[in-house]
Amino acid sequence: AQSVTQLDSQVPVFEEAPVELRCNYSSSVSVYLFWYVQYPNQGLQLLLKYLSGSTLVESINGFEAEFNKSQTSFHLRKPSVHISDTAEYFCAVMLVGSQGNLIFGKGTKLSVKP
Amino acid sequence: DTEVTQTPKHLVMGMTNKKSLKCEQHMGHRAMYWYKQKAKKPPELMFVYSYEKLSINESVPSRFSPECPNSSLLNLHLHALQPEDSALYLCASSQDRDGNEQFFGPGTRLTVL
Repeated sequence: AQSVTQLDSQVPVFEEAPVELRCNYSSSVSVYLFWYVQYPNQGLQLLLKYLSGSTLVESINGFEAEFNKSQTSFHLRKPSVHISDTAEYFCAVMLVGSQGNLIFGKGTKLSVKP
Repeated sequence: DTEVTQTPKHLVMGMTNKKSLKCEQHMGHRAMYWYKQKAKKPPELMFVYSYEKLSINESVPSRFSPECPNSSLLNLHLHALQPEDSALYLCASSQDRDGNEQFFGPGTRLTVL
């Protein structure tokens, strides 16, 4: 069975510092990979996704993630964070052909301090 | 319109009540989903509808009853819930099931007394 591990439950960081949120997955078959962000009392918003092709994917607000098949990782990075990036970040996998079954990691709470 | 709407935003109900959650999208998506999210936990898939037919039921108790009246609407009927069912219920939709972005609604925060 597939699983997603987000090793850090909380990541505190100062504004304008770089950040990396780690995500590892386990699956014996091909997967699609996603990062979702959830702001307090809101639903989830897709940040970026990897389906195929280039292993480096970017979002419009400066985040990027790199799919590393050998290390089964999909870490999320941003070179300089803002206060407004404070939120819960969920990594998720979907088995190719799984009828839309998204499996989420436990989430990482990113807290950006001034 | 790239929005998934959910009503109500908040719902408080007793264990003997019957209530319904509603989800709507007008993006022409053919797959719709219900997730349950307990506090400080990730969302967990409950049901998947594809082309208005139930395609996944993740062993959800029968006190939760989904309904997809048409391609834009998804309901979740609630009956005889337990306090441990209190959670944020999220609806999502995607163009189809496989590998596509799921757009999430803001959720309904349910409290069962």
